[in-house]
Amino acid sequence: NAGVTQTPKFQVLKTGQSMTLQCAQDMNHEYMSWYRQDPGMGLRLIHYSVGAGITDQGEVPNGYNVSRSTTEDFPLRLLSAAPSQTSVYFCASRTTDGPLPLHFGNGTRLTVT
Amino acid sequence: SQQGEEDPQALSIQEGENATMNCSYKTSINNLQWYRQNSGRGLVHLILIRSNEREKHSGRLRVTLDTSKKSSSLLITASRAADTASYFCATLSTDSWGKLQFGAGTQVVVTP
Repeated sequence: NAGVTQTPKFQVLKTGQSMTLQCAQDMNHEYMSWYRQDPGMGLRLIHYSVGAGITDQGEVPNGYNVSRSTTEDFPLRLLSAAPSQTSVYFCASRTTDGPLPLHFGNGTRLTVT
Repeated sequence: SQQGEEDPQALSIQEGENATMNCSYKTSINNLQWYRQNSGRGLVHLILIRSNEREKHSGRLRVTLDTSKKSSSLLITASRAADTASYFCATLSTDSWGKLQFGAGTQVVVTP
């Protein structure tokens, strides 16, 4: 199993540009989520999904959109990038068979200039 | 806002010593989890302790949970250089199973 795969690993955007961060998992996990990690602030939840067609907001959802059309994929869209969205983004998944641990991807480092 | 707060923010020890870090949280929890993050990588789950448990062991790791004080500690015994990483506690609230909330982490450096 590849686990949780995130692409790209690095990305530089100009303010106002849009892009999609990709996340795929091959563990048949129902639950998927996106976090951002900023220095000194730990990880903050952006959006999460408990299954195909079901998404919900986390702590910091503004400026980000998600959709879940398949169990495997959970893309994160930045509609109009801002410098405040410069961060490292992590996708994570788990089974919904109980409140079990998350499996993380290796992250996407995004810089918005 | 962060649910978990780790203490200390940074810890520097020598190989063979024990490393202890603490986590405090604010709301009622279903469980508390500890994760490790090596530089430039994603987080890796270490250990989960449920709200009705007081202590749990896994290899060189020992986790305690005191729900009356809303705090947890992670002890790494006989540390190795490979234990150099950031360690995060994360809590799952009783009223929100979809939202695992992380603290800011403790950066541990183990020197040979």
